[in-house]
Amino acid sequence: DGGITQSPKYLFRKEGQNVTLSCEQNLNHDAMYWYRQDPGQGLRLIYYSQIVNDFQKGDIAEGYSVSREKKESFPLTVTSAQKNPTAFYLCASSTSWTKETQYFGPGTRLLVL
Amino acid sequence: AQKVTQAQTEISVVEKEDVTLDCVYETRDTTYYLFWYKQPPSGELVFLIRRNSFDEQNEISGRYSWNFQKSTSSFNFTITASQVVDSAVYFCALSEPNTGNQFYFGTGTSLTVIP
Repeated sequence: DGGITQSPKYLFRKEGQNVTLSCEQNLNHDAMYWYRQDPGQGLRLIYYSQIVNDFQKGDIAEGYSVSREKKESFPLTVTSAQKNPTAFYLCASSTSWTKETQYFGPGTRLLVL
Repeated sequence: AQKVTQAQTEISVVEKEDVTLDCVYETRDTTYYLFWYKQPPSGELVFLIRRNSFDEQNEISGRYSWNFQKSTSSFNFTITASQVVDSAVYFCALSEPNTGNQFYFGTGTSLTVIP
């Protein structure tokens, strides 16, 4: 069964803490993406990766970091520098970087304690 | 400037009514792609359709249909005979291959179908 998995479904962060959101895909897609969704708003791009060992900043990268050491994995770390991290985070992937439909995972909801 | 505008924030319809969700986009490129996604309460975005800028034929898939009009830069989505399971947030998105595969999402339209 091919798809994108994200874990955990809910994540709680304390002040000053870094947390990492997991995203795994078994679709053999080259490109992966992280989006942030706030209530009543569309999706905003945080980071994207066109291929393994490569990633680029999106529109709202400040306070976040990523890595792409394996083709199937693209974890997102929300650092303490991100002052307003409460949001719904969605991971996506596509066959390649250009012209391809993006498919999304189930999302992780991050809440600050 | 907003590249994708979904002016309808929330829509409520009674089951079996038809409903149209509007999407207006802005681009200077001649080659681009338009998408619709459905986000049910569970949160996952479900891909519905992709159209390229050279194909203006309307498309029908079951109770869903899409009307693409380049003259008005619109890509509207109609659900015929709506059902409670259609209740979700629907997003329209634009990608411009000249800038890679960055998607520009609208702010979404929340559809509630009342039984």
